[in-house]
Amino acid sequence: EPEVTQTPSHQVTQMGQEVILRCVPISNHLYFYWYRQILGQKVEFLVSFYNNEISEKSEIFDDQFSVERPDGSNFTLKIRSTKLEDSAMYFCASHGLAGDSYEQYFGPGTRLTVT
Amino acid sequence: AQKITQTQPGMFVQEKEAVTLDCTYDTSDPSYGLFWYKQPSSGEMIFLIYQGSYDQQNATEGRYSLNFQKARKSANLVISASQLGDSAMYFCAMREGVSGYALNFGKGTSLLVTP
Repeated sequence: EPEVTQTPSHQVTQMGQEVILRCVPISNHLYFYWYRQILGQKVEFLVSFYNNEISEKSEIFDDQFSVERPDGSNFTLKIRSTKLEDSAMYFCASHGLAGDSYEQYFGPGTRLTVT
Repeated sequence: AQKITQTQPGMFVQEKEAVTLDCTYDTSDPSYGLFWYKQPSSGEMIFLIYQGSYDQQNATEGRYSLNFQKARKSANLVISASQLGDSAMYFCAMREGVSGYALNFGKGTSLLVTP
């Protein structure tokens, strides 16, 4: 069964450093998302991406964040200058147009720890 | 204001019993979708079930069913014949409208299935 993959599974970085989180969505999917989950809290939407551009973003997704689809398979989230409060699990998700459900398939997540 | 409310932070159920996890939602959009995801301790997000706002019948997927009460704006998840492997966090989520597909999650309910 096709699945969304994410690398790395765990990233430790120092405050102020740039990090890039990588995702490979399911190959025939068209919509891509990043969500984050701070430990013990709910999952929060960051950004959605369709047709090579951002289609929607939350107030969390400020100028420190950017997304890119550099080739036909990868989808990346960059945090330019990490802060302690960026420590969280980051999930990539994708979906095609499967009837009406738009079920989003989630990757296993990248746990980001900012020290 | 919270779009998705899950009022039960924690629930216990005995193996083989049924359990209902509550979810209420708030939207003025006539077109929306409701999702339930399971998050085991390993952290991944597993899609369980979907209900569209125009669906006439309650959704079912194996041991999972969604008790959709539109007038009350509730979408409770019912797990029948609980198994030890059902112990996990359960998140209710909603997407609104037809142009935005971002999911808005509730805070989750932690379910523990006991022998």
